[in-house]
Amino acid sequence: ETGVTQSPTHLIKTRGQQVTLRCSSQSGHNTVSWYQQALGQGPQFIFQYYREEENGRGNFPPRFSGLQFPNYSSELNVNALELDDSALYLCASSLAGAQETQYFGPGTRLLVL
Amino acid sequence: GDSVTQMEGPVTLSEEAFLTINCTYTATGYPSLFWYVQYPGEGLQLLLKATKADDKGSNKGFEATYRKETTSFHLEKGSVQVSDSAVYFCALTGTALIFGKGTTLSVSS
Repeated sequence: ETGVTQSPTHLIKTRGQQVTLRCSSQSGHNTVSWYQQALGQGPQFIFQYYREEENGRGNFPPRFSGLQFPNYSSELNVNALELDDSALYLCASSLAGAQETQYFGPGTRLLVL
Repeated sequence: GDSVTQMEGPVTLSEEAFLTINCTYTATGYPSLFWYVQYPGEGLQLLLKATKADDKGSNKGFEATYRKETTSFHLEKGSVQVSDSAVYFCALTGTALIFGKGTTLSVSS
């Protein structure tokens, strides 16, 4: 069974640029959630996708957007990068349902200069 | 809204000491409760979970009991090891996971 994978592992961008982060779900999982973890903080929910539709969103601006593909892999896109977007971005996959366990990938560390 | 409060860290212990990390929650309904662990430079790993009141989750010597009357889910381990040094997050779930701020545990030999 393959776990959750994310790419790239590290990324450096400058303010105003755009970035795309990628996530492959664990085998058999149909739901993907994205989280932002600032240094020294707990992860904050960005949004969740189920069957290619957004299924919930946290308190993040519209410049944070996402996609889920038919194979349940997912992308997180961030436009007009700001310095405060520097963080570890975590992807988690699960089966559908509020009580289902989410399994996390290793994360992508984004630095915005 | 729903929230999780964890004890402030860092927690510094000697090997074989007893560990308690306090976690309390506020939630509507009956969420599932989780403890995740994050080792340096890595993502989150599920440590244990409990899905209903009075359930006890356990894994690798760690335990936590879902206490509805005190809205708590404290993490305990009887004898910590150096390899347990990490950041521990308590979380509850609705559509998304809501995390506490994390507690850093440092164990010395």
